[in-house]
Amino acid sequence: GDSVTQMEGPVTLSEEAFLTINCTYTATGYPSLFWYVQYPGEGLQLLLKATKADDKGSNKGFEATYRKETTSFHLEKGSVQVSDSAVYFCALSPNTGTASKLTFGTGTRLQVTL
Amino acid sequence: KAGVTQTPRYLIKTRGQQVTLSCSPISGHRSVSWYQQTPGQGLQFLFEYFSETQRNKGNFPGRFSGRQFSNSRSEMNVSTLELGDSALYLCASSFLWTSAYNEQFFGPGTRLTVL
Repeated sequence: GDSVTQMEGPVTLSEEAFLTINCTYTATGYPSLFWYVQYPGEGLQLLLKATKADDKGSNKGFEATYRKETTSFHLEKGSVQVSDSAVYFCALSPNTGTASKLTFGTGTRLQVTL
Repeated sequence: KAGVTQTPRYLIKTRGQQVTLSCSPISGHRSVSWYQQTPGQGLQFLFEYFSETQRNKGNFPGRFSGRQFSNSRSEMNVSTLELGDSALYLCASSFLWTSAYNEQFFGPGTRLTVL
């Protein structure tokens, strides 16, 4: 079945540091890929998405490129802020009738300090 | 525009009881999905409803059920609660059926604790 593997957290960075959170996936066909963010006490928010190979999703300074050859969708940000502290989830959905069935990674907690 | 609302936000039950959780989607959204979030299993898909019909179902026992009303509000029910059902239950709504092209908007969740 489909699966998503994320790097273990927590990730602790100083403000303005470069961020990379690794994500790889296993899926049949050509899934769509997502990054969601969860702030304390809140639900998930869509951060960015990519629906086909070589697409780059971007939002709020975060970027991720859909790499089919390496089945990866790594999240990057050039300069993190304290307000970016949250849990980040990589996810995929099949581009089929079961597209609602998001498969999530285990999440990576990011802690940004001054 | 109001977001997805879930009630109650917190719930404490004992083993063997049943529980009903409610989700009101964003106005105009017709699809509602439910997810269970636990430290051990992470986020897992429960089911999706669209226009009062269950479209997809995850790998959960029959104790977990749901329904959707004509106004798109949805409820999920868990019968004969077990300790392992303690989790954050998240609801998400989407304008049409959920896909990469129809973003899911998540509510804040209901924290269920089973004692």
